[in-house]
Amino acid sequence: EIVMTQSPATLSVSPGERATLSCRASQSVNSKLAWYQQKPGQAPRLLIYDASTRATGIPARFSGRGSGTEFTLTISSLQSEDFAVYYCQQYNNWPLTFGGGTKVEIK
Amino acid sequence: DVQLVESGGGLVKPGESLRLSCAASGFTFSSYSINWVRQTPGTGLEWVSAIDTSGTSISYADSVKGRFTLSRDNAKNSLYLQMNSLRAEDTAVYYCARELFGSGTRPYDYWGQGTLVTVSS
Repeated sequence: EIVMTQSPATLSVSPGERATLSCRASQSVNSKLAWYQQKPGQAPRLLIYDASTRATGIPARFSGRGSGTEFTLTISSLQSEDFAVYYCQQYNNWPLTFGGGTKVEIK
Repeated sequence: DVQLVESGGGLVKPGESLRLSCAASGFTFSSYSINWVRQTPGTGLEWVSAIDTSGTSISYADSVKGRFTLSRDNAKNSLYLQMNSLRAEDTAVYYCARELFGSGTRPYDYWGQGTLVTVSS
């Protein structure tokens, strides 16, 4: 099973600042990496897939990069609605696995 | 609008069974693979099972293999997860999630609101 490790666990950022979240895979997942955003009481929402492709309706301030084992999600200028928990997921190998999440909180 | 609506969750005792349903609308259900994903505060998000468009290819996480059975009825736009021999560690919110259209395994572009399963004596 591929283990996905996200860092940091919590990121404190001021509105308008840039946030960079990391996700590391225990073995290569090629570019089969997705990022999700989850707010309290809601289901996760797909932000990025194939490591760098924004899902439909996702603002351009969200960007993803990486391949192999190292990936990042960058939010260029945090808006109030971006404070949430972010998860990465690999879909290159079964079983599909998720990272433990990074909580982006208001500084 | 695309909608996935889960139902069937509840409180059961260890060893008992439960059947979850996922009703789909707003898209051509038979064209999409669908997965179940569960979430607990302690273990985060965990993939549970996946079924392809025709229902002939089904995968399970090791943690549920042999106890859970996934099926779909494309005529009824519905998905079913039969959960037997439930354990305390199966306690979670269960989501059904649609795979992004395309070939191969894809991430999830739509999720239901989730249904809570609690296994406790």
